[in-house]
Amino acid sequence: DAGVTQSPTHLIKTRGQQVTLRCSPKSGHDTVSWYQQALGQGPQFIFQYYEEEERQRGNFPDRFSGHQFPNYSSELNVNALLLGDSALYLCASSLVGRGSDYEQYFGPGTRLTVT
Amino acid sequence: AQSVSQHNHHVILSEAASLELGCNYSYGGTVNLFWYVQYPGQHLQLLLKYFSGDPLVKGIKGFEAEFIKSKFSFNLRKPSVQWSDTAEYFCAVNARGGFQKLVFGTGTRLLVSP
Repeated sequence: DAGVTQSPTHLIKTRGQQVTLRCSPKSGHDTVSWYQQALGQGPQFIFQYYEEEERQRGNFPDRFSGHQFPNYSSELNVNALLLGDSALYLCASSLVGRGSDYEQYFGPGTRLTVT
Repeated sequence: AQSVSQHNHHVILSEAASLELGCNYSYGGTVNLFWYVQYPGQHLQLLLKYFSGDPLVKGIKGFEAEFIKSKFSFNLRKPSVQWSDTAEYFCAVNARGGFQKLVFGTGTRLLVSP
């Protein structure tokens, strides 16, 4: 049973560039959430996708956008990168049928460094 | 808005010592509560969760947590820590019946010396 997978593992970008991060959910899951974990901080919710639509969004600017595909995998796109976007980006998957009473499974994350 | 406070940012213990990590949350409605652990170089893993019922919940690796509703607390405990418990621990909450958005605390970094 495959867990949550993310790619790439590490990424180095320059300010102003754009980046795309990818996530495949755990087998059987249909909902993907993205979190940003800055150094020394807890993960912060970016947004959640279900049925290929953004269902909920945290306090992140429009530079952060996403997509969910019919196979439930997801992408996180960040435009016009800033130094402050340097962080570990985590993907978590869950099953919406259980509502909130079901834990989210996290992937290993993508470490993004913006120089 | 929900928020989670973890009062201990760094904890250093010797093996066999007892552990208690504090977690308080702020939210006006009914919540689900979680403790996640992040071992060095590994991804976030669920230690234990509370949805309803017995406020004392047991998780993996001998950890337990007690939900005290009147204190808005969900403290993590372990009677005797091991060197392998060295990790970062995160308390998290989400609203019951909501869209599963998790709100995390800032984490507690635990170092267990042999």
